[in-house]
Amino acid sequence: AQTVTQSQPEMSVQEAETVTLSCTYDTSESNYYLFWYKQPPSRQMILVIRQEAYKQQNATENRFSVNFQKAAKSFSLKISDSQLGDTAMYFCALEETSGSRLTFGEGTQLTVNP
Amino acid sequence: NAGVMQNPRHLVRRRGQEARLRCSPMKGHSHVYWYRQLPEEGLKFMVYLQKENIIDESGMPKERFSAEFPKEGPSILRIQQVVRGDSAAYFCASSSRRWDTEAFFGQGTRLTVV
Repeated sequence: AQTVTQSQPEMSVQEAETVTLSCTYDTSESNYYLFWYKQPPSRQMILVIRQEAYKQQNATENRFSVNFQKAAKSFSLKISDSQLGDTAMYFCALEETSGSRLTFGEGTQLTVNP
Repeated sequence: NAGVMQNPRHLVRRRGQEARLRCSPMKGHSHVYWYRQLPEEGLKFMVYLQKENIIDESGMPKERFSAEFPKEGPSILRIQQVVRGDSAAYFCASSSRRWDTEAFFGQGTRLTVV
């Protein structure tokens, strides 16, 4: 069975600084997708970034980038130039090609301080 | 193009009552997923439906829970004889196809059982 682990329940960062959120996962499949979702206090789940396992190049979306280490089964999220609006719960998720479900980690609560 | 619509946003039920949660997917989406989020936890997959069919219900409790996605109208997650442990946020997501596409989430329904 696939698993996703986020070992940092809480993190904080000063505005304009850079922060990295960690995620490790386990799957027996060779092809899958990895995601980072953001959940602000409104509870809306917002897709931040997506990585396809067969692509070696790390995905980037503006201030958000990932460090995908397939052999180590690691998928960290780097947020550059942190903004107050980045304050939210961040979830790492895995989707295998054999199924359509997302498996989520337990989340990391990120607080950006002014 | 309206996003995924869930209603109600908040639902209070007494123990033993029935809870009905509704999800209208994005226009053009025929794949619907339900997830449950217990307090301080990540989202857990419950069921995946495609119009009129249940594709994967492996995450849904065998008793008291059921889901449907009729040809016309929203998807319904039904919980019979609710218990305190059913209190959670229930999220619906929809996509245009099964794989290799983004799933869009609704804002969730927070169920409180008193």
